[in-house]
Amino acid sequence: EPEVTQTPSHQVTQMGQEVILRCVPISNHLYFYWYRQILGQKVEFLVSFYNNEISEKSEIFDDQFSVERPDGSNFTLKIRSTKLEDSAMYFCASSAGTAKETQYFGPGTRLLVL
Amino acid sequence: AQTVTQSQPEMSVQEAETVTLSCTYDTSENNYYLFWYKQPPSRQMILVIRQEAYKQQNATENRFSVNFQKAAKSFSLKISDSQLGDTAMYFCAFMTYNNNDMRFGAGTRLTVKP
Repeated sequence: EPEVTQTPSHQVTQMGQEVILRCVPISNHLYFYWYRQILGQKVEFLVSFYNNEISEKSEIFDDQFSVERPDGSNFTLKIRSTKLEDSAMYFCASSAGTAKETQYFGPGTRLLVL
Repeated sequence: AQTVTQSQPEMSVQEAETVTLSCTYDTSENNYYLFWYKQPPSRQMILVIRQEAYKQQNATENRFSVNFQKAAKSFSLKISDSQLGDTAMYFCAFMTYNNNDMRFGAGTRLTVKP
């Protein structure tokens, strides 16, 4: 069964550094998402992406964040200058279509900012 | 604004017994989707079951079923014949028909005891 994959599984970085989290969505899916989950808290929507542009974003997704689909398979989340509060689990998800289609999640990347 | 509330932070159940996890939500929309996701210790989010709001019939998936009460804005998950592998965090989630930002509840940690 096809699945969403994410790399790396864990990343440790220094405050102020840039990080890029990578995701490979399910191959025939058209919609891509990033969510984050701060330890002990609920999963929060960050951004959705369709047709090479952001379709929706939350208030969390400020100018420090960007997303890109650099090629036909990868979907990346970049945090330009990490802050301590960016430490969280970041989940990528993809779906074949819009809301009526199920979102399939990747295993997540645990980001720790020191 | 749409909100999802899970009032049970933790629950436990004996193996082979039945447990019900509660979820309520608040929305002014009429068309939406509801989901239950499972997050085991491996932390990958796995879809358990989904319900379209326009469908009156409660969704079922093997041992998992929901009690969807649209007027009460309630969406509980029943797990029958609980198994040790059901031990996980369970998140209730909501998404409107026209948006892709899924809103999650705070989660219920379920422990199945042998």
